[in-house]
Amino acid sequence: DSGVTQTPKHLITATGQRVTLRCSPRSGDLSVYWYQQSLDQGLQFLIQYYNGEERAKGNILERFSAQQFPDLHSELNLSSLELGDSALYFCASSGRDRGSPLHFGNGTRLTVT
Amino acid sequence: AQSVAQPEDQVNVAEGNPLTVKCTYSVSGNPYLFWYVQYPNRGLQFLLKYITGDNLVKGSYGFEAEFNKSQTSFHLKKPSALVSDSALYFCAVRPEGYSTLTFGKGTMLLVSP
Repeated sequence: DSGVTQTPKHLITATGQRVTLRCSPRSGDLSVYWYQQSLDQGLQFLIQYYNGEERAKGNILERFSAQQFPDLHSELNLSSLELGDSALYFCASSGRDRGSPLHFGNGTRLTVT
Repeated sequence: AQSVAQPEDQVNVAEGNPLTVKCTYSVSGNPYLFWYVQYPNRGLQFLLKYITGDNLVKGSYGFEAEFNKSQTSFHLKKPSALVSDSALYFCAVRPEGYSTLTFGKGTMLLVSP
């Protein structure tokens, strides 16, 4: 068990809808990362937060947004969903040291129909 | 920009034989390198990392990896494969000045009995 909790495990929704994915990092970790995994794109970095502030941005669409709350949990909001947004969304957390590995949750599988 | 290449989509090996999963990277400065494993319907699990020092690093489940700076490679190895090692393996790099990880596309390892 990595200590990173993601909810829900599965999400099925229709095109045009909006969903929220939730992540609780490991105890003590201040950094939260969001990744998208799909068959054609592989594992793509979306965005990172550190102690409530956005730290780095990757290939995140404008329709997607995220935030990290004072209790350090994070939410990823996906709106105007398209079929191509169907993927596994992972949250990871890490310590502040550059050598700290990322610890991943089990992901949320999003299916857009 | 940094990149990670895993040249093999799939590696097949018989149980008891040694295995190697290849990884090369392209990054400026001194990289931090990581290997992760992903089992079906699970998140990525950290196996090992190279930060500095000895070029041969040992990790979880009997895996090790060899860092070769001149060849910019970080191949994952195990002396004797187990059927339970069958999974998807990812190599990742964290360049200097970055907090995020860039992942390769993954290599499926299949160990036959």
